[in-house]
Amino acid sequence: DIVLTQSPALAVSLGQRATISCKTNQNVDYYGNSYMHWYQQKPGQQPKLLIYLASNLASGIPARFSGRGSGTDFTLTIDPVEADDTATYYCQQSRNLPDTFGAGTKLELK
Amino acid sequence: EIQLQESGPGLVKPSQSLSLTCSVTGYTITSGYDWSWIRKFPGNKMEWMGYISNSGSTNYNPSLKSRISITRDTSKNQFFLQLNSVTTEDTATYYCASRHGGYGFAYWGQGTLVTVSS
Repeated sequence: DIVLTQSPALAVSLGQRATISCKTNQNVDYYGNSYMHWYQQKPGQQPKLLIYLASNLASGIPARFSGRGSGTDFTLTIDPVEADDTATYYCQQSRNLPDTFGAGTKLELK
Repeated sequence: EIQLQESGPGLVKPSQSLSLTCSVTGYTITSGYDWSWIRKFPGNKMEWMGYISNSGSTNYNPSLKSRISITRDTSKNQFFLQLNSVTTEDTATYYCASRHGGYGFAYWGQGTLVTVSS
């Protein structure tokens, strides 16, 4: 299985930039696409797709969210951070079955 | 808009089977997409369990070996999870979700907490 590694937590100030990283132990690129996706999950809610295929903004997601990366290194950026962004963020790969998720990064405000 | 809703018992005894239903509205499950079950354990680890495709083929996480079965009822636009021989380690919030091909899971149910306890 492909293993995804995320930092457990990140604290940022309102209005600043948050950068969340996800590293994989295998390349998740295939024919020009990076099969990496990002989700936001708040307590008591289901995960919400933010970014698909590494850099594509999902429907209805504000442009404050962006994703980049390829191969084994990926980042999710939130700029500027708003109070409503406090949540846990997960990366997920779909390059190889079984799909796997990172352990999540909890974003908190300073 | 595609909506998914899980239903089923919230408490299952060890060694018994866990059975959940995902009801889909706003889209016909035979039209496209893959239809998955994903669970989130206490402590936040998430695990993809398996899917049934729009054509009815299935694919399961090898970690679940022969314990899992995903089926569907196209007349009711529902798909189902059965997990056999459960232990306390199967206690989790179970989500049904859908995606198009290798894209991300765009649609999720609200999740249902299943506790395995005697």
